[in-house]
Amino acid sequence: QKEVEQNSGPLSVPEGAIASLNCTYSDRGSQSFFWYRQYSGKSPELIMSIYSNGDKEDGRFTAQLNKASQYVSLLIRDSQPSDSATYLCAVSNAGNNRKLIWGLGTSLAVNP
Amino acid sequence: NAGVTQTPKFRILKIGQSMTLQCTQDMNHNYMYWYRQDPGMGLKLIYYSVGAGITDKGEVPNGYNVSRSTTEDFPLRLELAAPSQTSVYFCASTGAAGSYEQYFGPGTRLTVT
Repeated sequence: QKEVEQNSGPLSVPEGAIASLNCTYSDRGSQSFFWYRQYSGKSPELIMSIYSNGDKEDGRFTAQLNKASQYVSLLIRDSQPSDSATYLCAVSNAGNNRKLIWGLGTSLAVNP
Repeated sequence: NAGVTQTPKFRILKIGQSMTLQCTQDMNHNYMYWYRQDPGMGLKLIYYSVGAGITDKGEVPNGYNVSRSTTEDFPLRLELAAPSQTSVYFCASTGAAGSYEQYFGPGTRLTVT
């Protein structure tokens, strides 16, 4: 059973701090990794994609990938109350009709 | 470019009724997916399609049916609604060459009573 695991949280950080969200996956064949943000009552929104080992930065967001350890993380710098949401980690299901394997999400609360 | 659109936004069904959830995308994506998300739970794949005329079951297909007659549309049919089908339903699509990035519609919140 291919799995993606995330801490459910809630993760609570003060405004301006760095929020660190983590995700592990079981399928060594996975090649594509994604972070989605989901506000309460809304649909998931893609915020980061990463395909190779190392860091990828986009504004206040940095995704980190370590395929050897089967580990993906998302760092949010200078966290804002508007970052309060559930963050979903998704991993490609290798060769399988572009399906994604989804984690259950980590709830983040940024406190003013 | 509207992306992925879904109708209706909300619906209340009585047990045993049927309905169709509509999903349309204007990005010329070949791959489309239906998910359900229960409160506090993750996304569960119901059905997916890799192109017009081709559909396949996901993790939780029982009680649902789909069709894909065009690239743009991927309706989800609920037959004989049951309280267990109370959920939020999301449609998603992907299609750029080699891409796995899925883009979601706004969702349909369904209550079966």
